[in-house]
Amino acid sequence: AQSVTQLGSHVSVSEGALVLLRCNYSSSVPPYLFWYVQYPNQGLQLLLKYTTGATLVKGINGFEAEFKKSETSFHLTKPSAHMSDAAEYFCAVSEVSNTGKLIFGQGTTLQVKP
Amino acid sequence: GAVVSQHPSRVICKSGTSVKIECRSLDFQATTMFWYRQFPKQSLMLMATSNEGSKATYEQGVEKDKFLINHASLTLSTLTVTSAHPEDSSFYICSASARLAGGEQYFGPGTRLTVT
Repeated sequence: AQSVTQLGSHVSVSEGALVLLRCNYSSSVPPYLFWYVQYPNQGLQLLLKYTTGATLVKGINGFEAEFKKSETSFHLTKPSAHMSDAAEYFCAVSEVSNTGKLIFGQGTTLQVKP
Repeated sequence: GAVVSQHPSRVICKSGTSVKIECRSLDFQATTMFWYRQFPKQSLMLMATSNEGSKATYEQGVEKDKFLINHASLTLSTLTVTSAHPEDSSFYICSASARLAGGEQYFGPGTRLTVT
């Protein structure tokens, strides 16, 4: 079975500082990996995804993530945090079957301090 | 990009009544739609997966007779919470996908259900 673990339920950074949100996954086969962002009382917006090919994936709003198979990780980074980045972030892995189900991590709340 | 809408965005109902939530893919045909439930400060819990024209597949622990899902067309799925109780109060989010395994899911904005 696949699973996702997000290390740190709450991350706080200063505006302009590096953002690093950690995600580790468990999968017996090559996974599809996703990062979503959720603003209060809204649905989820896709930041980026990894399916195959280049392991460094660039997404929207300056975010990127690197798929590291040896470490079973897919950490999300952004060089310089902006106040508008404050939100809830979810890492997810796609179940490798015909169902297309997503398995989500517990989520990480990103706080950006002025 | 692909847009998914949900209606209503917010609903308050009395205990014992039923509530229907609609999920529509506005600019693409969704072969599969997913319904999630999210409690405050928590992750999304998949409730069920529905494919157009077939019965929904419910996750373990989700009462199919209480949470009725209908996927009548490639652009519309509905979730009906029957005989709602205060513990059903939650944020319900749908998503739609045009492909199966590995396909990107596009999420609706969510529906806040409050049962009084």
